[in-house]
Amino acid sequence: DAGVTQSPTHLIKTRGQHVTLRCSPISGHKSVSWYQQVLGQGPQFIFQYYEKEERGRGNFPDRFSARQFPNYSSELNVNALLLGDSALYLCASTEGAGGYGYTFGSGTRLTVV
Amino acid sequence: GIQVEQSPPDLILQEGANSTLRCNFSDSVNNLQWFHQNPWGQLINLFYIPSGTKQNGRLSATTVATERYSLLYISSSQTTDSGVYFCAVPAYGGSQGNLIFGKGTKLSVKP
Repeated sequence: DAGVTQSPTHLIKTRGQHVTLRCSPISGHKSVSWYQQVLGQGPQFIFQYYEKEERGRGNFPDRFSARQFPNYSSELNVNALLLGDSALYLCASTEGAGGYGYTFGSGTRLTVV
Repeated sequence: GIQVEQSPPDLILQEGANSTLRCNFSDSVNNLQWFHQNPWGQLINLFYIPSGTKQNGRLSATTVATERYSLLYISSSQTTDSGVYFCAVPAYGGSQGNLIFGKGTKLSVKP
């Protein structure tokens, strides 16, 4: 079975641009969560979606948005990119809405220049 | 909100040595997980351990929920154990999918 897949794996953007990151969960998993990990820190929660509805949002500005599609895949969008948005963006899927049994993808490494 | 502290921040071992990593948390939790992040960034779930002790091969974990700490034991370490180890707990009052991670323990195992 395929694990959690994220695309692209690496991305370089310029300040002020917009970016869309994509995540496909494990088959049968209905929840997707997004995390941002800056260098030297633990992952920080951005969003959780379950059954296509937002179930939680972390302390991130409105420039960050996400959605989940009928096939449970998800997109994370970031507008008006700042240098500080440079990070590894991780997607995790779980079967239910609970925070256990996480399977993480390999992440998208975003560099803003 | 809940605080998660891990120690030590860095650990260097010779292959074959044993180690203990610690995770302290500031509030009661009903869920604690340990993850290993390999040098390529992949986060692997090691244990879901809200209380008690679990073992998986050379790794074992113990959570004492009443005293708000968890320990991860690595025995007979191998170079492939290198990476960063994180513990994570649910954010108080947040959705269960909202995990709070510690800053991690960076483990380097030398051959």
